[in-house]
Order: sequence, then structure tokens, then C-alpha cells
Amino acid sequence: QVQLQESGPGLVKPSETLSINCTVSGGSISSYYWSWIRQPPGKGLEWIGYIYDSGNTNYNPSLKGRVTMSVDTSKNQFSLKLTSVTAEDTAVYYCARDPTGGYSFDYWGQGTLVTVSS
Amino acid sequence: AIRITQSPSSLSASTGDRVTITCRASQGISNYLAWFQQKPGKAPKSLIYAASTLQSGVPSRFSGSGSGTDFTLTISYLQSEDFATYYCQQYYYYPPTFGGGTKVEI
Repeated sequence: QVQLQESGPGLVKPSETLSINCTVSGGSISSYYWSWIRQPPGKGLEWIGYIYDSGNTNYNPSLKGRVTMSVDTSKNQFSLKLTSVTAEDTAVYYCARDPTGGYSFDYWGQGTLVTVSS
Repeated sequence: AIRITQSPSSLSASTGDRVTITCRASQGISNYLAWFQQKPGKAPKSLIYAASTLQSGVPSRFSGSGSGTDFTLTISYLQSEDFATYYCQQYYYYPPTFGGGTKVEI
């Protein structure tokens, strides 16, 4: 059974960079697309972007310029960096697997809450 | 971005009930719609993709239907473990977008 587990700092100061990792277990990170999705408290879900095992990326235009994703196939792990964060970036961040790159997600992590506050 | 309107936002039901949740897309999305179940503190669970195809291992009491702009998730015989929040998501248009969720409460 594929499992995804996010790990993040919990608290980030405004204007700093948010960094979260997602570790994949029970399956290989290779040959899949890996997405990040977030949900601010009391608000809807927003797709942030994906990375393929080759390192190819695709980011939501709403966040483009602030997002960087990377992948470490040796660790079965991928990562999200979001720069210049504000309170509006406070959210539960989820990682998810997309089998085809068609933006349909079959496995999700349980999410990690990141709060942006001084 | 494509708007997905999900209704109702919450509903109360009892075990054994038949429950129906709907999603309406602001433009036609063919059958590129998925449904997820989320319980507090747990990973969202994929239930259905392509509007009506059950993910492996999902009980047959869950079913999905629809095409174009109007879609339905039906739970034919509500079980205690089905009390959760359900989301739909379109993946026809870029970027993918989600409905606002339906909380199914006892």
C-alpha cells in the first residue's frame, strides 16, 4: 500500500521560505507525477503544482514565481519550497500521487499544517 | 479557472440511508471528475475517477454518475465509516479545481 507522509516546520515567519518534504513508502517514486495541494483553514483546496521523477515540473500560474519543487529518487522523497510567504499561505499542505500527469490523484498524504506568523 | 459548485455543503443522515451529493462545473468537463473522502486528520481517500470508475478497494455502495457539467456521488447504504467530508475535483481544464466539500454528519 502506497503511503505518503509530509514533514514540515509547522511555523514560518512572513517573507521567509516554506519548505515541506513528502516521503513515499510502499512504492517507487519513479514513473509517477507528484503533486502538492493546499487547503487554507475554512477554505477550498488549491492545486499548487507537480513534479515528475525526471524533475520536470508544472506549477499553478497563481503561485508561479514563488514555487519550486524538487525530487530525490534515492530517498523516495520530493519537496516543495514556497518563497516570500504571507499569512495567506497558512494552510494544510498535502502531497499526492498522480499516476498519469492527468491531474487525477490516487494516493494522498494526511497533510501538514503550516502557519505563517511572526 | 473552472468553478465547481458542490451541494449540499453539509447533510445529516443515518446509517442505512441513501445519500446523494452533487457537483456542477461552470463549463463542460466531459467525465473528467473525481471524488474523494476525507476524515479529520487522515489522508484524503480517492473513491472515484472518470466520473464513475471506482478506485480499487472502494466498496460498491459508492457510485458516481454524470457527464458534462452535472455529476453525482451516491452512497447507497450509509455505513458508520462513511461519515466524512466528500470533495469532487475536475481535471479536464488546467489547473485542476475542487468543489467546496460536503460534510456528511450523523
